[in-house]
Amino acid sequence: GQNIDQPTEMTATEGAIVQINCTYQTSGFNGLFWYQQHAGEAPTFLSYNVLDGLEEKGRFSSFLSRSKGYSYLLLKELQMKDSASYLCAVMDSNYQLIWGAGTKLIIKP
Amino acid sequence: IAGITQAPTSQILAAGRRMTLRCTQDMRHNAMYWYRQDLGLGLRLIHYSNTAGTTGKGEVPDGYSVSRANTDDFPLTLASAVPSQTSVYFCASSDGQGATEAFFGQGTRLTVV
Repeated sequence: GQNIDQPTEMTATEGAIVQINCTYQTSGFNGLFWYQQHAGEAPTFLSYNVLDGLEEKGRFSSFLSRSKGYSYLLLKELQMKDSASYLCAVMDSNYQLIWGAGTKLIIKP
Repeated sequence: IAGITQAPTSQILAAGRRMTLRCTQDMRHNAMYWYRQDLGLGLRLIHYSNTAGTTGKGEVPDGYSVSRANTDDFPLTLASAVPSQTSVYFCASSDGQGATEAFFGQGTRLTVV
């Protein structure tokens, strides 16, 4: 079966760094996406990885290891507005997205 | 209209009633999707359409139907609503060319009582 695992909830302090992990087992792999979803809102795209390594985009970075079926999203210089759920999704061999349940990130001042 | 629009924003529906959730996009995207999102679960694909005139079943299609008469519109119909269909429904679109990001509507919060 297909499976995406990520922690249910994490807490971090404003100004700090947090790493949200995602492990996956899917039928084929055509890339891994991270989305941000604020409470009551739609998911919005953050990053896409298809090759191994680190992709940096401002305060956010995403890492992928295909051999380990593992990715992480790194958020630096945390701000209160980063309080949200972070969704990991893998595109399978049929180009369909398989979604994790999301990690709720709580930022404390 | 800018992006992808869903209607209604929220709805309370009596069990057994028929309901159509509307979704319209103005990005000329080929692919469109309907997901449901429930607490503690990831987004689950209900139905999808890779291009106008074609549709396919996702992970949880039972009790739902879709149509794709043109590029812009992708309505989702619940023929006879049941309480287990209480959820937040998201419509999304992508240009469908390989692995590209999906754009989401604001969601419809549906409660079936």
